[in-house]
Amino acid sequence: AQSVTQLGSHVSVSEGALVLLRCNYSSSVPPYLFWYVQYPNQGLQLLLKYTTGATLVKGINGFEAEFKKSETSFHLTKPSAHMSDAAEYFCAVSEWSGRDDKIIFGKGTRLHILP
Amino acid sequence: DARVTQTPRHKVTEMGQEVTMRCQPILGHNTVFWYRQTMMQGLELLAYFRNRAPLDDSGMPKDRFSAEMPDATLATLKIQPSEPRDSAVYFCASGLRGQGIGGYTFGSGTRLTVV
Repeated sequence: AQSVTQLGSHVSVSEGALVLLRCNYSSSVPPYLFWYVQYPNQGLQLLLKYTTGATLVKGINGFEAEFKKSETSFHLTKPSAHMSDAAEYFCAVSEWSGRDDKIIFGKGTRLHILP
Repeated sequence: DARVTQTPRHKVTEMGQEVTMRCQPILGHNTVFWYRQTMMQGLELLAYFRNRAPLDDSGMPKDRFSAEMPDATLATLKIQPSEPRDSAVYFCASGLRGQGIGGYTFGSGTRLTVV
């Protein structure tokens, strides 16, 4: 069964600094990977997804993530943090094979932006 | 933009009462998920449906929870009787399998408080 581990339940970065949120996954088949963002009192919004092909995936709001099979990682980055990036971020995995294609989420990382 | 609509947005109820949460998936989507979000457990998958048929409800406490899709435009999650430990935000998400891989669209959630 697939699983996701997000390192760090809270991450703080200064405005303008690099954002790096870590995600490692476990999957018995080639995975499909996602990053979602959740703003306070809202649902989850898809930031980006990896399915097949190019391992560097670009998403909305300047975020990108790189799929590294050898490291079973899918870390999320943004070159320069903005105050509006403060939110909770969820990494998720889906095996999308056969009948069972549910999406399993990590515990989430809350990103704090320091002025 | 198409949206997943959840009602009610907030619900406060007394222990022992029946609670019904509703979800209107995006028209044409054939897959519907129910997730529960708490501080302690994060996002837990409760159940999901494909073409209105339940595929997996192993994450749902069977003795008090039930999930149904009476038709393609409505999914319901019912708790009877409710308990304080059911207090959480319940999210519905819908998507389309079979026409490309993508993330799922989440509703804004139902915040349930059982007192």
